[in-house]
Amino acid sequence: DSGVTQTPKHLITATGQRVTLRCSPRSGDLSVYWYQQSLDQGLQFLIQYYNGEERAKGNILERFSAQQFPDLHSELNLSSLELGDSALYFCASSVALRTEAFFGQGTRLTVV
Amino acid sequence: GIQVEQSPPDLILQEGANSTLRCNFSDSVNNLQWFHQNPWGQLINLFYIPSGTKQNGRLSATTVATERYSLLYISSSQTTDSGVYFCAVNLMNNNAGNMLTFGGGTRLMVKP
Repeated sequence: DSGVTQTPKHLITATGQRVTLRCSPRSGDLSVYWYQQSLDQGLQFLIQYYNGEERAKGNILERFSAQQFPDLHSELNLSSLELGDSALYFCASSVALRTEAFFGQGTRLTVV
Repeated sequence: GIQVEQSPPDLILQEGANSTLRCNFSDSVNNLQWFHQNPWGQLINLFYIPSGTKQNGRLSATTVATERYSLLYISSSQTTDSGVYFCAVNLMNNNAGNMLTFGGGTRLMVKP
């Protein structure tokens, strides 16, 4: 158990819908990252927050957004879902900006 | 961006055999991590090894940062070692945080 908690574990939804994925980082970790793992793109960095502020953006679509709350948990919002958004979404956390990252068990999103 | 290449892409071993997985990266890095993704999709931290050598039980890793490669050694392989092994790096000049760029992975199957 990495200490990073993601909910839900599985999510099935229809095209055009909006979903929210939730992440609780390890106790004491200030930085939260979101990654997407799809069959054709592999594991890709989406976005990073540090102590409530956005620090870096990767290949995140405009339909996707995220935030980190004062209690340091984070949410990834995916809207206007398309079939191609089906993937495993990981949250990771680390103590500081450039230290070892630990991953949650992921949320498997299926868009039908 | 930085390129991360892993070899071999696929590996089949008989239980008890040893193996070496390689990760080449195209630029200087300040972070390198090895992960094992088990059949349930979990990403398990194996090593945080930006340079040097580390050992943990049957696994060990060596990173030669000046030559831009890392090796993961698995000795006396067991069926539970099956899964995909990922190498992930963060660029040296990346001051924003720990945006890991993942390699394509090595898919390992250990047969009893």
